[in-house]
Amino acid sequence: KAGVTQTPRYLIKTRGQQVTLSCSPISGHRSVSWYQQTPGQGLQFLFEYFSETQRNKGNFPGRFSGRQFSNSRSEMNVSTLELGDSALYLCASSFSGRASDTQYFGPGTRLTVL
Amino acid sequence: GENVEQHPSTLSVQEGDSAVIKCTYSDSASNYFPWYKQELGKRPQLIIDIRSNVGEKKDQRIAVTLNKTAKHFSLHITETQPEDSAVYFCAASIGASGTYKYIFGTGTRLKVLA
Repeated sequence: KAGVTQTPRYLIKTRGQQVTLSCSPISGHRSVSWYQQTPGQGLQFLFEYFSETQRNKGNFPGRFSGRQFSNSRSEMNVSTLELGDSALYLCASSFSGRASDTQYFGPGTRLTVL
Repeated sequence: GENVEQHPSTLSVQEGDSAVIKCTYSDSASNYFPWYKQELGKRPQLIIDIRSNVGEKKDQRIAVTLNKTAKHFSLHITETQPEDSAVYFCAASIGASGTYKYIFGTGTRLKVLA
């Protein structure tokens, strides 16, 4: 099976702009989680989607949003970009979204905000 | 609150020696504890995991131990090799059914010196 894919791999934006990132999970996986990774902060949970519904959300401002489509592909959007949003954004998919399900990560999208 | 503490943040060992990374979690309901390895510029990869009904799990040179009473789990790597050099993240799953998420530690940068 193909692994989790993310597009684009790199993005450069300026403050105030918005950005949309895409994640395609492993075939058959219905849960997609998004994380922000920054040096020293590790992986911070953004949100999790299962069957097109957001089931859980981390402590991020409302500028961060997401959605999931019927084919389980997911997008996340960041509006009104700030310098502090520069990070590696990772998505991870799992089969059924249970707590003991293994999450498989994509390669990430590196976002740079100037 | 939801928290996973990971120590040490950096660890240098001589090739052939053992390495131990420790994590402590806060939610007593957590029941799944994966460990991920992230090489530079790569995605996090699952290396081993343990569920709450097991105290220890081993896979070749890698082992994980879990102490639910102390809310503490550890990664043990024996006979370290240069290719073990990477950042290692522990995680704990939290939340009720259908609303779970992973909380990650802040990572340990392991350097294996040849």
